[in-house]
Amino acid sequence: GAVVSQHPSWVICKSGTSVKIECRSLDFQATTMFWYRQFPKQSLMLMATSNEGSKATYEQGVEKDKFLINHASLTLSTLTVTSAHPEDSSFYICSASDRTNTEAFFGQGTRLTVV
Amino acid sequence: AQKITQTQPGMFVQEKEAVTLDCTYDTSDPSYGLFWYKQPSSGEMIFLIYQGSYDQQNATEGRYSLNFQKARKSANLVISASQLGDSAMYFCAMPWSTGFQKLVFGTGTRLLVSP
Repeated sequence: GAVVSQHPSWVICKSGTSVKIECRSLDFQATTMFWYRQFPKQSLMLMATSNEGSKATYEQGVEKDKFLINHASLTLSTLTVTSAHPEDSSFYICSASDRTNTEAFFGQGTRLTVV
Repeated sequence: AQKITQTQPGMFVQEKEAVTLDCTYDTSDPSYGLFWYKQPSSGEMIFLIYQGSYDQQNATEGRYSLNFQKARKSANLVISASQLGDSAMYFCAMPWSTGFQKLVFGTGTRLLVSP
């Protein structure tokens, strides 16, 4: 099956700093990637859709200046949490889809803790 | 808009017994699909099973099967012969209307399998 690798798996950062999370498709070209956020004991909520070579589409209520998404190649999308605050602490997980768009494959997720 | 409802926050089952996890959905799309994912404590989303709305037969994948009742808009997951390793969160999901690979998730059910 298709493999999506997400890095880092966990990160602790100080309040006010920025954190970059990478999502890579290892064995297929991902024309579209999705970034989800999951608070403890809650469901996954879609944050944004990332399309290779174009601007990301953000869901309502998600600050695009705070959560910067870059999808510069067909195998890599990055999510940068800028000026992180403790309330940004969450589990972030990406999924990627190939050109057939029939299924999305998930990364392992990143647990972000802002102290 | 799609909506997924999982009414069981938690379920207990003894090892080797079967368990049913409930999922109801609401959609106006004539054609749609339902996914079930398992999320262990490590966080990754593991695809379990998929059911298409026009599939004639209920989907099965090993110990997992879907009790799909279209008229009732339910897609319950049945796990047979539960194992200790089945203890995890289980999410029902369906694609957004606009994209097959962009998913709306239910709130999840935590399954605990006891010896």
